[in-house]
Amino acid sequence: DIQLTQSPSFLSASVGDRVTITCRASQGISSYLAWYQQKPGKAPKVLIYAASTLQSGVPSRFSGSGSGTEFTLTISSLQPEDFATYYCQQVNSFPYTFGQGTKLEIK
Amino acid sequence: EVQLAESGGGLVKPGGSLRLSCAASGFTFSDYSMSWVRQAPGKGLEWVSSISSSIYYADSVKGRFTISRDNAKNSLYLQMNSLKAEDTAVYYCVREVYTIGAGGRGFNWFDPWGQGTLVTVSS
Repeated sequence: DIQLTQSPSFLSASVGDRVTITCRASQGISSYLAWYQQKPGKAPKVLIYAASTLQSGVPSRFSGSGSGTEFTLTISSLQPEDFATYYCQQVNSFPYTFGQGTKLEIK
Repeated sequence: EVQLAESGGGLVKPGGSLRLSCAASGFTFSDYSMSWVRQAPGKGLEWVSSISSSIYYADSVKGRFTISRDNAKNSLYLQMNSLKAEDTAVYYCVREVYTIGAGGRGFNWFDPWGQGTLVTVSS
């Protein structure tokens, strides 16, 4: 199975900050990676797919990059509504797996 | 509007069974692969099972859970048998979207997600 490791697991930042979350895969997955945002008590929603393609309707301050085994999700200027938990997911092969999550909190 | 609505969750004793349902609307259900993803209380996301022309299961549920679909009813199901305490979670129904990107490569992701249904396994 492909393991995904996110770092950091917790991140404290302020409105307006630029933040980067990393997702590392235990083996190469090309660009078969998606990023999701989850707010408390809500279902996750997709932000990025194919490692770097922004889902329709997602603000352009979100961006994704990477291929192979290392990927990043960047938020260029944090907004109050961005404080949430973020997950990466590999869809290269079954079993699909998720990273453990990165909780982004307000400093 | 594309919508997924789960039902069937509840409290069940260890060793018991439960059947989850997911009603889909707003898209041609038969055109899409569908999946179940779960989230234990306070924990991360765990993929459970997917159904397209093939069926896949996580090792943690293989042999105990059965995924199925009824395209005529626009519905997805998850039959859960021999339930364990560690199966306690919110279960989400998700649609798997597939698109052909640059260079003719196909890419997929989960969108949308249902609101989830809570399954609690406890004596």
